[in-house]
Amino acid sequence: DAKTTQPNSMESNEEEPVHLPCNHSTISGTDYIHWYRQLPSQGPEYVIHGLTSNVNNRMASLAIAEDRKSSTLILHRATLRDAAVYYCILRRNYGGSQGNLIFGKGTKLSVKP
Amino acid sequence: NAGVTQTPKFQVLKTGQSMTLQCAQDMNHEYMSWYRQDPGMGLRLIHYSVGAGITDQGEVPNGYNVSRSTTEDFPLRLLSAAPSQTSVYFCASSTTGTGLEKLFFGSGTQLSVL
Repeated sequence: DAKTTQPNSMESNEEEPVHLPCNHSTISGTDYIHWYRQLPSQGPEYVIHGLTSNVNNRMASLAIAEDRKSSTLILHRATLRDAAVYYCILRRNYGGSQGNLIFGKGTKLSVKP
Repeated sequence: NAGVTQTPKFQVLKTGQSMTLQCAQDMNHEYMSWYRQDPGMGLRLIHYSVGAGITDQGEVPNGYNVSRSTTEDFPLRLLSAAPSQTSVYFCASSTTGTGLEKLFFGSGTQLSVL
C-alpha cells in the first residue's frame, strides 16, 4: 500500500489560511488522494479528494503537485471548529482490498483565537 | 438522511463476554468496513465488505467476526471479549470500494472490556 507522510502537528491563528502538507512519493497512477478530518470524540469526516487536478469544495481546496508526489489541503479561513486531526490517505481505484483506506496518525491542527 | 448509524454508543463488557456492534447505512452502499481506534492512534481496519455475502479481513481481524446478509447491515461480533479489545469502533461505507468514492463514517461505539 502506498503510504503518506504528514507533520504530526500544526498551529494556526483563527481566520488565517492553513496549508496542510502531505507527501506520497510512492503514489500510483490509479490512487486518489483523500483527506478526512476527525474532530474530538467524533468519527472521521470526509473533506475532499482528487486525482490529478486541483479541487475545491465548500470545506477546503486540494492542491496536487504536477508529479502527484505531494499534495496540500488548504483551509482558506481557519475557525476554531477546524481544530481536528487531518488524515491524508491514498485510495486505489481498483476496489476490493485495494480500495481500503489505510490511516496514518495524521496532522493535529490547533487553531488559536 | 440518517447516513451510517452505529449502536450502541457505549458498552462495557466483562472479559469473555460476547456482543455484537451494529452498523446500518441507508445509502445503498456496496462497500462497508469496520475500524478500531486506540487512544492517540489512527484507525486500523478490522474487516470489510464489497457487497452482500462478501466479506474479507483487514489489518487486525483476530477476535472479530463479520457477516453481510443485506446491503444495509454490517454487524461486528466479538466472540470472547478481551481487555485488548477496549477501543473506539467506527463503521464506514461508500458507494463502491474504489478511490473515486468518498467514505461516510458512523459516530462510533466506545467499548470497554474489564
